[in-house]
Amino acid sequence: DADVTQTPRNRITKTGKRIMLECSQTKGHDRMYWYRQDPGLGLRLIYYSFDVKDINKGEISDGYSVSRQAQAKFSLSLESAIPNQTALYFCATSAGIAGGGTDTQYFGPGTRLTVL
Amino acid sequence: RKEVEQDPGPFNVPEGATVAFNCTYSNSASQSFFWYRQDCRKEPKLLMSVYSSGNEDGRFTAQLNRASQYISLLIRDSKLSDSATYLCGRGCGGGGNKLTFGTGTQLKVEL
Repeated sequence: DADVTQTPRNRITKTGKRIMLECSQTKGHDRMYWYRQDPGLGLRLIYYSFDVKDINKGEISDGYSVSRQAQAKFSLSLESAIPNQTALYFCATSAGIAGGGTDTQYFGPGTRLTVL
Repeated sequence: RKEVEQDPGPFNVPEGATVAFNCTYSNSASQSFFWYRQDCRKEPKLLMSVYSSGNEDGRFTAQLNRASQYISLLIRDSKLSDSATYLCGRGCGGGGNKLTFGTGTQLKVEL
């Protein structure tokens, strides 16, 4: 079974709709991240969370919100989707150096989102 | 200057060749580096991490040059299955855990 899972894997939606992407992990990691990937732009950090009570904006948080429901779950919401949010979205986790781990990040399989 | 820069390629090499990519970074406080492999439309998967001068794993060698602020990935005896995009990531460490990624270098290994 995959350690980091994402649902849905593919989603097509219309402009203005609210969308939630979900991420779950069984690695026991405290730290979770949401990235989007666009051709030529690489992976860009949207939000990250170092524990259940800690949420931080990344470099491109506008138009997105997140919720850390539990250590194992981190969801990303697009409140009102727009076409330029069409991208491949990845969730990632890491153990955290402070917790005796490393900053190595492990990625989920991705969600391909298309906003029409 | 971008925090992490990579030549997008593609690097087209024959099977069995040795190929090297560089990744330059601008933040001298960077403490950890990573090479990830990403197949088309799939998630990045860790290839190797580098915390000191370098790392080696079979046909893959990463070398860090802090003075010139770059990290390289060397692939020896290239296989067709090595065809992928290779992402460079750098972390500031210190418990920060955020990674900044380059846009990736595409490798195509051909017969």
